[in-house]
Amino acid sequence: ETGVTQTPRHLVMGMTNKKSLKCEQHLGHNAMYWYKQSAKKPLELMFVYSLEERVENNSVPSRFSPECPNSSHLFLHLHTLQPEDSALYLCASSLGTAGNYGYTFGSGTRLTVV
Amino acid sequence: QQQVKQSPQSLIVQKGGIPIINCAYENTAFDYFPWYQQFPGKGPALLIAIRPDVSEKKEGRFTISFNKSAKQFSLHIMDSQPGDSATYFCAASRERGTASKLTFGTGTRLQVTL
Repeated sequence: ETGVTQTPRHLVMGMTNKKSLKCEQHLGHNAMYWYKQSAKKPLELMFVYSLEERVENNSVPSRFSPECPNSSHLFLHLHTLQPEDSALYLCASSLGTAGNYGYTFGSGTRLTVV
Repeated sequence: QQQVKQSPQSLIVQKGGIPIINCAYENTAFDYFPWYQQFPGKGPALLIAIRPDVSEKKEGRFTISFNKSAKQFSLHIMDSQPGDSATYFCAASRERGTASKLTFGTGTRLQVTL
């Protein structure tokens, strides 16, 4: 394990459901990120939290709602998703900027929207 | 607009060969260039990184070559092994503030055969 834990590992949800993805790190990092990974596309940055404040929202649809209650936990709340939202959602953390020690990624949540 | 272009999309080499993966970037403000390695079912993990003040960095069998004037950098894997079979992502960021946004390439799927 990398020290960044994501749950659940797999999630199948209907377009009208509401679900949440959870990310937890106990590495002492102070920045956390959500990325979306789709086949043959670059990892897409969705949200950045630094010191528990959202510092980046990369034009993500409002059906994705992040929450960072403390420096160790990050959530991604999902509602009324579309089939094109099916992807691997990766959480990452860092100690300050990526150039310090890099990002530490979790193993991701494989989301399927039916 | 894709800020980091990566090629090739896939690569097959024999054991002992030297696969080379290339990336080009557009944003001259980028000042940190890492490579990440991802195995199936896992999140990406930092492999090696370089800053623009050096032209080459070597860590074990992995070497980054950096050409600032051409805005290109590449990953070389010496004496490749079947265990190196994975997807490799280049990335770039501007290291400012308390967190940084890594912009990733599309990935290269490497297969090392016996």
